Amino acid sequence: EAGVAQSPRYKIIEKRQSVAFWCNPISGHATLYWYQQILGQGPKLLIQFQNNGVVDDSQLPKDRFSAERLKGVDSTLKIQPAKLEDSAVYLCASSLAGMTGYGYTFGSGTRLTVV
Amino acid sequence: QKEVEQNSGPLSVPEGAIASLNCTYSDRGSQSFFWYRQYSGKSPELIMFIYSNGDKEDGRFTAQLNKASQYVSLLIRDSQPSDSATYLCAVRGTGGGNKLTFGTGTQLKVEL
Repeated sequence: EAGVAQSPRYKIIEKRQSVAFWCNPISGHATLYWYQQILGQGPKLLIQFQNNGVVDDSQLPKDRFSAERLKGVDSTLKIQPAKLEDSAVYLCASSLAGMTGYGYTFGSGTRLTVV
Repeated sequence: QKEVEQNSGPLSVPEGAIASLNCTYSDRGSQSFFWYRQYSGKSPELIMFIYSNGDKEDGRFTAQLNKASQYVSLLIRDSQPSDSATYLCAVRGTGGGNKLTFGTGTQLKVEL
């Protein structure tokens, strides 16, 4: 079974520029999550999708972050404009819908550095 | 109060010893509890989950849950240098969706 795919692996941008990250979940997984992990901290949920609908985006800084999952499969997370404090690893995860007793699988992440 | 709290460490143990990692959570209605291992520069990897009070064993790993005390722990027996990593505790609470809330992680160092 292929895992969660993310790209790019690394990205360096200047502040105020825009950047986009891509995630393709495990086949058949209806639920997709984007987490932000700042160095030395645990992952923080940014947004959760169920199919192509948003379940939870309460911690997404909506003035600069946006995310979409148009066809209920792959997803894109965008930051515009980026700030220095956005430097972090952005992790995508997926799970089967309704499988509340299980954890989920993370992709390899995208490490963003804003200079 | 943080939703999920862990001591950041580092926790240093000699090779072959038992490593004990602890986690407390604030949402009394939480149902499921997870331990992830994260090597430096890598993404978190699920190693254990537990949702009933008591112990759950899987090889060298034992997860312990005490819902009355809102406490979950992970024991690693016969610690190996390859166990050196950050261990993240995650909790599925009572809010909507299946999201996990993570602690900040405990860094474990197993010394030769």
